Amino acid sequence: QKEVEQNSGPLSVPEGAIASLNCTYSDRGSQSFFWYRQYSGKSPELIMFIYSNGDKEDGRFTAQLNKASQYVSLLIRDSQPSDSATYLCAVRKAAGNKLTFGGGTRVLVKP
Amino acid sequence: DTGVSQDPRHKITKRGQNVTFRCDPISEHNRLYWYRQTLGQGPEFLTYFQNEAQLEKSRLLSDRFSAERPKGSFSTLEIQRTEQGDSAMYLCASSLLDNEQFFGPGTRLTVL
Repeated sequence: QKEVEQNSGPLSVPEGAIASLNCTYSDRGSQSFFWYRQYSGKSPELIMFIYSNGDKEDGRFTAQLNKASQYVSLLIRDSQPSDSATYLCAVRKAAGNKLTFGGGTRVLVKP
Repeated sequence: DTGVSQDPRHKITKRGQNVTFRCDPISEHNRLYWYRQTLGQGPEFLTYFQNEAQLEKSRLLSDRFSAERPKGSFSTLEIQRTEQGDSAMYLCASSLLDNEQFFGPGTRLTVL
Protein backbone atom coordinates (compact mmCIF):
# COMPACT_ATOMS: atom_id res chain seq x y z
CA GLN A 1 0.00 0.00 0.00
CA LYS A 2 1.32 3.38 -0.98
CA GLU A 3 1.60 5.97 1.77
CA VAL A 4 -0.43 8.51 -0.20
CA GLU A 5 -2.94 7.43 -2.81
CA GLN A 6 -4.78 9.39 -5.44
CA ASN A 7 -6.91 8.40 -8.38
CA SER A 8 -4.78 9.11 -11.44
CA GLY A 9 -7.75 10.28 -13.51
CA PRO A 10 -8.27 11.96 -15.82
CA LEU A 11 -11.13 13.72 -14.06
CA SER A 12 -13.14 15.46 -16.74
CA VAL A 13 -15.15 18.46 -15.55
CA PRO A 14 -17.29 20.91 -17.53
CA GLU A 15 -16.32 24.55 -17.27
CA GLY A 16 -18.06 26.19 -14.33
CA ALA A 17 -18.64 22.94 -12.46
CA ILE A 18 -17.06 21.74 -9.20
CA ALA A 19 -14.07 19.42 -9.41
CA SER A 20 -13.70 17.08 -6.44
CA LEU A 21 -10.35 15.40 -5.81
CA ASN A 22 -9.62 12.85 -3.10
CA CYS A 23 -6.48 11.65 -1.40
CA THR A 24 -6.01 8.96 1.25
CA TYR A 25 -2.98 8.40 3.44
CA SER A 26 -1.86 5.45 5.49
CA ASP A 27 0.23 6.94 8.31
CA ARG A 28 -1.83 8.23 11.24
CA GLY A 29 1.24 10.22 12.30
CA SER A 30 0.75 12.54 9.35
CA GLN A 31 0.36 16.07 10.60
CA SER A 32 -0.03 18.47 7.72
CA PHE A 33 -1.46 18.13 4.26
CA PHE A 34 -0.73 20.00 1.08
CA TRP A 35 -2.24 20.37 -2.35
CA TYR A 36 0.01 21.29 -5.26
CA ARG A 37 -0.90 21.99 -8.85
CA GLN A 38 1.47 20.93 -11.61
CA TYR A 39 1.15 21.93 -15.22
CA SER A 40 2.75 19.67 -17.80
CA GLY A 41 6.51 20.17 -17.87
CA LYS A 42 6.46 22.58 -14.92
CA SER A 43 7.25 22.22 -11.23
CA PRO A 44 4.63 21.82 -8.48
CA GLU A 45 2.97 25.02 -7.31
CA LEU A 46 1.47 25.19 -3.83
CA ILE A 47 -2.30 25.74 -3.77
CA MET A 48 -3.01 25.39 -0.08
CA PHE A 49 -2.32 23.41 3.07
CA ILE A 50 -4.43 22.20 5.98
CA TYR A 51 -3.56 21.02 9.47
CA SER A 52 -6.86 20.69 11.31
CA ASN A 53 -9.94 18.59 10.72
CA GLY A 54 -12.64 20.37 8.76
CA ASP A 55 -12.68 22.73 5.83
CA LYS A 56 -10.31 25.47 4.74
CA GLU A 57 -11.24 27.82 1.94
CA ASP A 58 -8.99 29.92 -0.26
CA GLY A 59 -10.68 31.59 -3.18
CA ARG A 60 -12.18 28.93 -5.45
CA PHE A 61 -10.38 26.16 -3.58
CA THR A 62 -11.55 24.30 -0.48
CA ALA A 63 -9.48 21.66 1.29
CA GLN A 64 -11.23 19.19 3.56
CA LEU A 65 -9.44 17.03 6.13
CA ASN A 66 -10.79 14.03 8.01
CA LYS A 67 -8.03 12.52 10.14
CA ALA A 68 -10.26 9.76 11.54
CA SER A 69 -10.89 8.46 8.03
CA GLN A 70 -7.43 9.44 6.83
CA TYR A 71 -8.45 11.37 3.80
CA VAL A 72 -8.03 14.85 2.48
CA SER A 73 -9.91 16.32 -0.45
CA LEU A 74 -9.77 19.37 -2.66
CA LEU A 75 -12.75 21.08 -4.22
CA ILE A 76 -12.33 23.48 -7.12
CA ARG A 77 -15.38 25.64 -7.62
CA ASP A 78 -16.28 27.33 -10.92
CA SER A 79 -13.66 25.25 -12.74
CA GLN A 80 -11.85 27.01 -15.58
CA PRO A 81 -9.90 25.57 -18.51
CA SER A 82 -6.78 27.04 -16.87
CA ASP A 83 -7.37 24.64 -13.96
CA SER A 84 -6.50 21.73 -16.26
CA ALA A 85 -3.42 20.25 -14.62
CA THR A 86 -2.24 17.45 -12.37
CA TYR A 87 -3.08 17.94 -8.70
CA LEU A 88 -0.67 16.45 -6.20
CA CYS A 89 -1.55 15.61 -2.62
CA ALA A 90 1.33 15.59 -0.13
CA VAL A 91 1.60 14.80 3.58
CA ARG A 92 4.16 15.67 6.21
CA LYS A 93 4.59 13.62 9.35
CA ALA A 94 4.88 15.19 12.77
CA ALA A 95 8.38 13.84 13.27
CA GLY A 96 9.79 14.70 9.88
CA ASN A 97 10.27 17.40 7.35
CA LYS A 98 9.96 15.67 4.02
CA LEU A 99 6.79 15.62 1.98
CA THR A 100 5.40 12.32 0.75
CA PHE A 101 3.45 12.75 -2.45
CA GLY A 102 0.70 10.82 -4.13
CA GLY A 103 0.90 10.10 -7.82
CA GLY A 104 -1.42 12.96 -8.70
CA THR A 105 -4.83 13.33 -10.28
CA ARG A 106 -5.04 14.74 -13.78
CA VAL A 107 -7.92 17.18 -14.20
CA LEU A 108 -9.33 18.26 -17.56
CA VAL A 109 -11.76 21.18 -17.62
CA LYS A 110 -13.69 21.27 -20.87
CA PRO A 111 -15.10 24.55 -22.20
CA ASP B 1 12.55 37.01 -8.98
CA THR B 2 12.78 35.99 -5.33
CA GLY B 3 11.67 32.38 -5.76
CA VAL B 4 13.73 29.19 -5.75
CA SER B 5 16.09 29.00 -8.72
CA GLN B 6 17.81 25.98 -10.23
CA ASP B 7 20.59 25.63 -12.72
CA PRO B 8 20.81 24.24 -15.32
CA ARG B 9 17.22 23.82 -16.41
CA HIS B 10 18.09 20.99 -18.75
CA LYS B 11 21.03 18.61 -18.85
CA ILE B 12 21.75 15.90 -21.37
CA THR B 13 24.62 13.60 -20.56
CA LYS B 14 26.05 10.29 -21.57
CA ARG B 15 25.88 7.27 -19.31
CA GLY B 16 28.84 7.14 -16.98
CA GLN B 17 29.40 10.90 -16.83
CA ASN B 18 29.12 12.98 -13.66
CA VAL B 19 26.62 15.82 -13.39
CA THR B 20 26.10 18.58 -10.83
CA PHE B 21 23.00 20.68 -10.26
CA ARG B 22 22.66 23.86 -8.26
CA CYS B 23 19.75 25.20 -6.22
CA ASP B 24 19.39 28.68 -4.75
CA PRO B 25 16.56 28.79 -2.18
CA ILE B 26 14.37 31.71 -1.22
CA SER B 27 16.74 33.98 0.68
CA GLU B 28 15.38 33.72 4.23
CA HIS B 29 14.55 30.02 4.03
CA ASN B 30 16.74 27.86 6.24
CA ARG B 31 15.46 24.51 4.99
CA LEU B 32 16.25 23.04 1.59
CA TYR B 33 15.01 19.83 0.03
CA TRP B 34 15.82 17.79 -3.07
CA TYR B 35 13.21 15.63 -4.77
CA ARG B 36 13.18 13.55 -7.93
CA GLN B 37 10.18 13.15 -10.19
CA THR B 38 9.71 10.73 -13.06
CA LEU B 39 6.95 10.90 -15.63
CA GLY B 40 3.50 10.17 -14.24
CA GLN B 41 4.69 10.02 -10.64
CA GLY B 42 4.69 12.41 -7.75
CA PRO B 43 7.99 13.83 -6.50
CA GLU B 44 10.08 11.49 -4.33
CA PHE B 45 12.13 12.85 -1.45
CA LEU B 46 15.90 12.59 -1.77
CA THR B 47 17.47 14.69 0.97
CA TYR B 48 16.94 17.60 3.37
CA PHE B 49 19.16 20.32 4.81
CA GLN B 50 18.57 22.61 7.74
CA ASN B 51 21.06 25.41 7.28
CA GLU B 52 24.28 23.62 6.31
CA ALA B 53 23.48 20.32 8.03
CA GLN B 54 22.17 17.40 6.00
CA LEU B 55 19.62 15.97 8.40
CA GLU B 56 17.81 13.38 6.34
CA LYS B 57 18.67 11.26 3.36
CA SER B 58 16.39 8.84 1.53
CA ARG B 59 17.30 5.24 1.01
CA LEU B 60 16.62 6.01 -2.64
CA LEU B 61 19.82 8.01 -2.66
CA SER B 62 22.54 5.60 -3.71
CA ASP B 63 26.24 6.15 -3.07
CA ARG B 64 26.48 7.78 -6.49
CA PHE B 65 24.44 10.73 -5.22
CA SER B 66 25.82 13.41 -2.96
CA ALA B 67 24.44 16.74 -1.88
CA GLU B 68 26.00 19.68 -0.10
CA ARG B 69 24.95 23.01 1.30
CA PRO B 70 28.29 24.38 2.49
CA LYS B 71 27.30 27.81 3.76
CA GLY B 72 23.66 27.21 4.44
CA SER B 73 22.64 29.09 1.31
CA PHE B 74 22.79 27.39 -2.10
CA SER B 75 22.99 23.63 -2.49
CA THR B 76 24.49 21.28 -5.06
CA LEU B 77 23.42 17.77 -6.00
CA GLU B 78 25.98 15.62 -7.76
CA ILE B 79 25.33 12.34 -9.51
CA GLN B 80 28.40 10.27 -10.33
CA ARG B 81 28.57 7.63 -13.06
CA THR B 82 25.10 8.44 -14.32
CA GLU B 83 22.78 5.64 -15.44
CA GLN B 84 19.77 5.77 -17.73
CA GLY B 85 17.55 5.21 -14.71
CA ASP B 86 18.71 8.55 -13.33
CA SER B 87 16.78 10.36 -16.06
CA ALA B 88 14.20 12.45 -14.24
CA MET B 89 13.26 15.95 -13.15
CA TYR B 90 15.30 16.99 -10.11
CA LEU B 91 13.38 19.44 -7.99
CA CYS B 92 14.63 21.66 -5.22
CA ALA B 93 12.32 23.18 -2.62
CA SER B 94 12.84 25.51 0.31
CA SER B 95 10.91 26.44 3.41
CA LEU B 96 11.13 28.50 6.55
CA LEU B 97 10.93 26.31 9.65
CA ASP B 98 7.98 23.87 9.41
CA ASN B 99 6.08 25.85 6.82
CA GLU B 100 5.03 24.86 3.33
CA GLN B 101 7.67 24.04 0.77
CA PHE B 102 8.12 26.07 -2.39
CA PHE B 103 9.57 24.40 -5.44
CA GLY B 104 12.02 25.67 -8.00
CA PRO B 105 11.57 25.13 -11.75
CA GLY B 106 13.56 21.89 -11.69
CA THR B 107 16.45 20.47 -13.67
CA ARG B 108 15.48 17.92 -16.28
CA LEU B 109 18.19 15.30 -16.66
CA THR B 110 18.38 13.01 -19.68
CA VAL B 111 20.96 10.24 -19.61
CA LEU B 112 21.69 8.75 -23.03
